[in-house]
Amino acid sequence: NAGVTQTPKFQVLKTGQSMTLQCAQDMNHEYMSWYRQDPGMGLRLIHYSVGAGITDQGEVPNGYNVSRSTTEDFPLRLLSAAPSQTSVYFCASSSAPTSREQYFGPGTRLTVT
Amino acid sequence: AQKITQTQPGMFVQEKEAVTLDCTYDTSDPSYGLFWYKQPSSGEMIFLIYQGSYDQQNATEGRYSLNFQKARKSANLVISASQLGDSAMYFCAMREGRAGAQKLVFGQGTRLTINP
Repeated sequence: NAGVTQTPKFQVLKTGQSMTLQCAQDMNHEYMSWYRQDPGMGLRLIHYSVGAGITDQGEVPNGYNVSRSTTEDFPLRLLSAAPSQTSVYFCASSSAPTSREQYFGPGTRLTVT
Repeated sequence: AQKITQTQPGMFVQEKEAVTLDCTYDTSDPSYGLFWYKQPSSGEMIFLIYQGSYDQQNATEGRYSLNFQKARKSANLVISASQLGDSAMYFCAMREGRAGAQKLVFGQGTRLTINP
């Protein structure tokens, strides 16, 4: 049981490049989320999903796209990377709306130059 | 207005002492949940403890307990008998409503340092 996995662990992009951060979970969780953590800050919600085919915006969605075609996968796409998107990105999943716990992936450290 | 406020940017505690990390929250929803996470220098988010707004008793998990004062909207984390391995960032987070598990709001964190 791998839990929540994220790839890559580290990534350096040039301004204007696009890329996809991968997130997968093997716990059959319906609820998945993407957060970003800037230095010295708490996590902020980017996008979330309540099931395959259903996504919605969080607090800081600009510059990011998501889709959810399967229960297992929830990729995050950066459309045109900017230095302001330099951050650590966490994916999380939970089994129910009132779940006592979210399972976090190990994070992806992204640097945009 | 900030929904989660952690007023202690840094705390320094002697090993074996108890430590209280403060968290206040703001919500008008009667159904909510409060979480504490530990983030060591390696970066992963480790779940510590959860308190639901309707829970009758304060949550406890081993050396961790949550001092939940609903009227004051505070949910302080208490770590008893601190250990060197407790040195980390600690985040308080809130879920609002019955459909919000995937939408946590985090505080800015408290960096806890345990001195030998």
